[in-house]
Amino acid sequence: SAVISQKPSRDICQRGTSLTIQCQVDSQVTMMFWYRQQPGQSLTLIATANQGSEATYESGFVIDKFPISRPNLTFSTLTVSNMSPEDSSIYLCSARDGPNTEAFFGQGTRLTVV
Amino acid sequence: LAKTTQPISMDSYEGQEVNITCSHNNIATNDYITWYQQFPSQGPRFIIQGYKTKVTNEVASLFIPADRKSSTLSLPRVSLSDTAVYYCLVGALDGGSQGNLIFGKGTKLSVKP
Repeated sequence: SAVISQKPSRDICQRGTSLTIQCQVDSQVTMMFWYRQQPGQSLTLIATANQGSEATYESGFVIDKFPISRPNLTFSTLTVSNMSPEDSSIYLCSARDGPNTEAFFGQGTRLTVV
Repeated sequence: LAKTTQPISMDSYEGQEVNITCSHNNIATNDYITWYQQFPSQGPRFIIQGYKTKVTNEVASLFIPADRKSSTLSLPRVSLSDTAVYYCLVGALDGGSQGNLIFGKGTKLSVKP
Protein backbone atom coordinates (compact mmCIF):
# COMPACT_ATOMS: atom_id res chain seq x y z
CA SER A 1 0.00 0.00 0.00
CA ALA A 2 0.99 3.64 -0.30
CA VAL A 3 0.41 6.58 1.99
CA ILE A 4 -0.19 9.94 0.38
CA SER A 5 0.32 13.21 2.21
CA GLN A 6 -1.08 16.44 0.90
CA LYS A 7 -0.13 19.93 1.99
CA PRO A 8 -1.81 22.17 2.88
CA SER A 9 -4.89 20.40 4.20
CA ARG A 10 -6.88 23.58 3.80
CA ASP A 11 -6.34 27.21 2.88
CA ILE A 12 -8.25 30.42 2.38
CA CYS A 13 -6.85 32.51 -0.44
CA GLN A 14 -7.50 35.88 -1.99
CA ARG A 15 -8.78 35.98 -5.54
CA GLY A 16 -6.08 36.62 -8.09
CA THR A 17 -3.42 34.76 -6.14
CA SER A 18 -2.00 31.27 -6.71
CA LEU A 19 -1.72 28.26 -4.43
CA THR A 20 0.58 25.29 -4.85
CA ILE A 21 -0.58 21.98 -3.40
CA GLN A 22 2.03 19.37 -2.63
CA CYS A 23 1.54 15.61 -2.84
CA GLN A 24 4.09 13.27 -1.30
CA VAL A 25 3.89 9.48 -1.67
CA ASP A 26 5.79 7.21 0.71
CA SER A 27 6.85 4.91 -2.13
CA GLN A 28 7.78 5.25 -5.76
CA VAL A 29 4.78 5.23 -8.09
CA THR A 30 4.47 5.44 -11.82
CA MET A 31 1.14 7.21 -12.07
CA MET A 32 -0.14 10.26 -10.23
CA PHE A 33 -3.41 12.08 -10.74
CA TRP A 34 -5.09 15.26 -9.57
CA TYR A 35 -8.83 15.48 -8.98
CA ARG A 36 -11.24 18.19 -7.93
CA GLN A 37 -14.32 17.52 -5.82
CA GLN A 38 -17.06 19.98 -5.00
CA PRO A 39 -18.87 19.34 -1.70
CA GLY A 40 -21.46 16.62 -2.16
CA GLN A 41 -20.31 15.89 -5.69
CA SER A 42 -18.19 13.23 -7.35
CA LEU A 43 -14.53 13.54 -8.26
CA THR A 44 -13.52 15.22 -11.52
CA LEU A 45 -10.15 14.33 -13.01
CA ILE A 46 -8.02 17.40 -13.68
CA ALA A 47 -4.88 15.80 -15.09
CA THR A 48 -2.64 12.77 -15.18
CA ALA A 49 1.01 13.29 -14.22
CA ASN A 50 2.91 10.14 -15.09
CA GLN A 51 6.63 9.94 -14.62
CA GLY A 52 8.68 10.72 -17.67
CA SER A 53 6.03 12.61 -19.58
CA GLU A 54 4.23 15.92 -19.59
CA ALA A 55 1.01 16.13 -17.65
CA THR A 56 -2.11 15.34 -19.65
CA TYR A 57 -5.12 17.53 -18.94
CA GLU A 58 -8.77 16.59 -19.17
CA SER A 59 -11.26 18.63 -21.13
CA GLY A 60 -11.98 21.89 -19.38
CA PHE A 61 -8.63 22.09 -17.61
CA VAL A 62 -5.58 23.86 -19.01
CA ILE A 63 -1.94 24.00 -18.05
CA ASP A 64 -1.87 27.77 -17.62
CA LYS A 65 -4.54 27.54 -14.94
CA PHE A 66 -3.40 24.29 -13.31
CA PRO A 67 0.34 23.80 -13.87
CA ILE A 68 1.60 20.49 -12.57
CA SER A 69 5.09 19.34 -11.69
CA ARG A 70 6.29 15.74 -11.34
CA PRO A 71 10.00 16.00 -10.47
CA ASN A 72 10.38 12.40 -9.30
CA LEU A 73 8.54 9.17 -8.59
CA THR A 74 7.28 10.20 -5.15
CA PHE A 75 6.24 13.82 -5.50
CA SER A 76 3.95 16.09 -7.48
CA THR A 77 2.54 19.58 -7.18
CA LEU A 78 -0.60 21.20 -8.53
CA THR A 79 -0.81 24.97 -8.72
CA VAL A 80 -4.15 26.71 -8.90
CA SER A 81 -3.32 29.98 -10.63
CA ASN A 82 -5.06 33.34 -10.65
CA MET A 83 -7.76 31.99 -8.37
CA SER A 84 -11.39 33.00 -8.40
CA PRO A 85 -14.20 31.94 -6.04
CA GLU A 86 -15.18 29.30 -8.63
CA ASP A 87 -11.93 27.50 -7.83
CA SER A 88 -13.13 26.86 -4.28
CA SER A 89 -13.17 23.09 -3.99
CA ILE A 90 -11.40 20.07 -2.57
CA TYR A 91 -8.34 19.03 -4.54
CA LEU A 92 -7.23 15.41 -4.26
CA CYS A 93 -3.99 13.73 -5.22
CA SER A 94 -4.00 10.07 -6.24
CA ALA A 95 -1.30 7.56 -7.10
CA ARG A 96 -1.06 4.04 -8.42
CA ASP A 97 1.80 1.88 -9.56
CA GLY A 98 0.19 0.26 -12.57
CA PRO A 99 -2.89 0.46 -14.80
CA ASN A 100 -4.93 -2.14 -12.94
CA THR A 101 -3.60 -1.71 -9.44
CA GLU A 102 -5.22 -0.11 -6.45
CA ALA A 103 -5.28 3.68 -6.52
CA PHE A 104 -4.46 5.55 -3.31
CA PHE A 105 -5.75 8.99 -2.44
CA GLY A 106 -4.61 11.79 -0.22
CA GLN A 107 -6.92 13.39 2.31
CA GLY A 108 -7.46 16.36 0.05
CA THR A 109 -6.83 20.09 0.19
CA ARG A 110 -9.87 22.20 0.96
CA LEU A 111 -9.44 25.49 -0.88
CA THR A 112 -11.63 28.53 -0.30
CA VAL A 113 -11.13 31.57 -2.50
CA VAL A 114 -12.51 34.85 -1.20
CA LEU B 1 -13.68 3.83 -20.84
CA ALA B 2 -17.25 2.65 -20.30
CA LYS B 3 -19.67 4.95 -18.54
CA THR B 4 -21.14 3.59 -15.31
CA THR B 5 -24.63 4.06 -13.89
CA GLN B 6 -25.57 3.30 -10.30
CA PRO B 7 -28.36 4.34 -7.93
CA ILE B 8 -27.89 7.77 -6.40
CA SER B 9 -28.74 6.60 -2.91
CA MET B 10 -29.66 3.55 -0.85
CA ASP B 11 -30.83 3.07 2.71
CA SER B 12 -30.22 0.05 4.90
CA TYR B 13 -30.24 -1.05 8.51
CA GLU B 14 -27.46 -2.41 10.60
CA GLY B 15 -26.86 -6.12 10.13
CA GLN B 16 -28.42 -6.30 6.69
CA GLU B 17 -26.68 -7.31 3.49
CA VAL B 18 -26.47 -4.48 0.98
CA ASN B 19 -26.18 -5.01 -2.75
CA ILE B 20 -25.31 -2.07 -4.99
CA THR B 21 -25.63 -2.72 -8.70
CA CYS B 22 -23.73 -0.82 -11.34
CA SER B 23 -24.46 -0.77 -15.05
CA HIS B 24 -21.62 -0.55 -17.57
CA ASN B 25 -23.21 -1.55 -20.85
CA ASN B 26 -20.28 -0.46 -23.03
CA ILE B 27 -17.55 -2.26 -21.12
CA ALA B 28 -14.73 -3.41 -23.37
CA THR B 29 -12.99 -6.77 -23.36
CA ASN B 30 -9.90 -5.13 -21.92
CA ASP B 31 -11.72 -3.39 -19.07
CA TYR B 32 -12.02 -4.40 -15.43
CA ILE B 33 -14.44 -3.25 -12.73
CA THR B 34 -13.37 -1.64 -9.49
CA TRP B 35 -15.20 -0.16 -6.52
CA TYR B 36 -14.15 2.59 -4.14
CA GLN B 37 -15.60 3.88 -0.88
CA GLN B 38 -15.46 7.48 0.28
CA PHE B 39 -16.22 8.85 3.73
CA PRO B 40 -16.83 12.58 4.25
CA SER B 41 -13.65 14.66 4.32
CA GLN B 42 -11.52 11.74 3.13
CA GLY B 43 -10.16 10.55 -0.18
CA PRO B 44 -11.69 7.45 -1.78
CA ARG B 45 -10.48 4.06 -0.63
CA PHE B 46 -10.24 0.88 -2.72
CA ILE B 47 -12.73 -1.85 -1.86
CA ILE B 48 -12.56 -4.56 -4.49
CA GLN B 49 -11.78 -5.23 -8.13
CA GLY B 50 -12.67 -7.93 -10.63
CA TYR B 51 -12.88 -8.93 -14.25
CA LYS B 52 -15.50 -11.68 -14.32
CA THR B 53 -17.52 -14.07 -12.12
CA LYS B 54 -17.06 -13.51 -8.41
CA VAL B 55 -14.38 -11.93 -6.28
CA THR B 56 -14.43 -11.90 -2.49
CA ASN B 57 -12.18 -10.24 0.06
CA GLU B 58 -12.45 -9.50 3.75
CA VAL B 59 -14.64 -6.46 3.13
CA ALA B 60 -16.99 -7.26 0.25
CA SER B 61 -17.91 -9.48 -2.66
CA LEU B 62 -18.16 -8.48 -6.28
CA PHE B 63 -20.45 -10.35 -8.65
CA ILE B 64 -19.98 -9.96 -12.39
CA PRO B 65 -22.31 -11.81 -14.79
CA ALA B 66 -21.05 -13.46 -17.93
CA ASP B 67 -21.91 -10.54 -20.20
CA ARG B 68 -20.08 -8.13 -17.82
CA LYS B 69 -22.55 -5.35 -18.57
CA SER B 70 -23.25 -4.90 -14.89
CA SER B 71 -21.70 -5.71 -11.55
CA THR B 72 -22.97 -5.94 -7.99
CA LEU B 73 -21.06 -4.95 -4.89
CA SER B 74 -22.25 -6.93 -1.89
CA LEU B 75 -21.57 -5.71 1.64
CA PRO B 76 -22.42 -8.35 4.26
CA ARG B 77 -23.97 -7.29 7.56
CA VAL B 78 -23.42 -3.56 7.27
CA SER B 79 -22.81 -1.35 10.27
CA LEU B 80 -23.23 2.37 10.84
CA SER B 81 -19.60 2.85 9.84
CA ASP B 82 -20.38 1.63 6.33
CA THR B 83 -22.33 4.83 5.68
CA ALA B 84 -20.40 6.33 2.76
CA VAL B 85 -20.46 6.96 -0.96
CA TYR B 86 -19.61 3.95 -3.11
CA TYR B 87 -18.20 4.43 -6.59
CA CYS B 88 -18.21 1.89 -9.40
CA LEU B 89 -15.49 2.46 -11.98
CA VAL B 90 -14.24 0.79 -15.12
CA GLY B 91 -10.53 0.72 -15.82
CA ALA B 92 -8.36 -0.47 -18.68
CA LEU B 93 -6.18 -3.48 -17.95
CA ASP B 94 -3.46 -2.28 -20.28
CA GLY B 95 -3.36 1.25 -18.92
CA GLY B 96 -5.41 2.86 -21.61
CA SER B 97 -6.15 6.52 -20.87
CA GLN B 98 -2.84 6.55 -18.98
CA GLY B 99 -4.22 4.50 -16.15
CA ASN B 100 -6.56 7.14 -14.85
CA LEU B 101 -9.89 6.40 -13.17
CA ILE B 102 -13.02 8.32 -14.09
CA PHE B 103 -15.54 8.60 -11.28
CA GLY B 104 -19.29 8.55 -11.84
CA LYS B 105 -21.84 9.98 -9.45
CA GLY B 106 -21.60 7.17 -6.92
CA THR B 107 -24.18 5.67 -4.55
CA LYS B 108 -24.70 7.28 -1.17
CA LEU B 109 -25.38 4.46 1.29
CA SER B 110 -27.01 5.39 4.57
CA VAL B 111 -27.04 2.73 7.27
CA LYS B 112 -29.52 3.28 10.06
CA PRO B 113 -29.57 1.72 13.53
